[in-house]
Amino acid sequence: AQSVTQLGSHVSVSEGALVLLRCNYSSSVPPYLFWYVQYPNQGLQLLLKYTTGATLVKGINGFEAEFKKSETSFHLTKPSAHMSDAAEYFCAVSVMDAGNMLTFGGGTRLMVKP
Amino acid sequence: DGGITQSPKYLFRKEGQNVTLSCEQNLNHDAMYWYRQDPGQGLRLIYYSQIVNDFQKGDIAEGYSVSREKKESFPLTVTSAQKNPTAFYLCASSIVAGGKEQYFGPGTRLTVT
Repeated sequence: AQSVTQLGSHVSVSEGALVLLRCNYSSSVPPYLFWYVQYPNQGLQLLLKYTTGATLVKGINGFEAEFKKSETSFHLTKPSAHMSDAAEYFCAVSVMDAGNMLTFGGGTRLMVKP
Repeated sequence: DGGITQSPKYLFRKEGQNVTLSCEQNLNHDAMYWYRQDPGQGLRLIYYSQIVNDFQKGDIAEGYSVSREKKESFPLTVTSAQKNPTAFYLCASSIVAGGKEQYFGPGTRLTVT
């Protein structure tokens, strides 16, 4: 079975500062990895995903994530935070044998200070 | 525009009543999912369906029921047996293939008093 751990349920950064949201996964087979964003009282929107190939993945809104197999990590970064980035972020994993079943981490709430 | 619709956005019910949440998609996806989200928690899978007329229980199916009579529709019924039904409910759909993402609806917030 797969699992996802997001370190830090709350992260606070200043506007213009680096955003780093951590995600570690556990999987016995090659994983597919996803980052989603959720604004208050809304559904989840896909930010980016890793399936195969290039390990540095670029997504929407200036976010990117790097798949590091040796560290079983898929951390999300953005060079400069904007007020509009304040939201909850979820990391998720799936594997080929499980079809499209996603296992989600507990989420990280990002707060951006002016 | 293709997407997933959930209605209503907010739903209020008295304890002991069954309530059905609607989920419709026009993305031509075979798979559909229902999740429950509680404050400070991640998403927990209630039920999923990968083909019409077939569905499977997720991690927290007790007190819930679903049907999948049409490819486009996957309604969720919260029964009176669900001990703590107040939550935010999210519906999603996807293509059934490895590495494909799930697309989410806007959610329904259910409050039971």
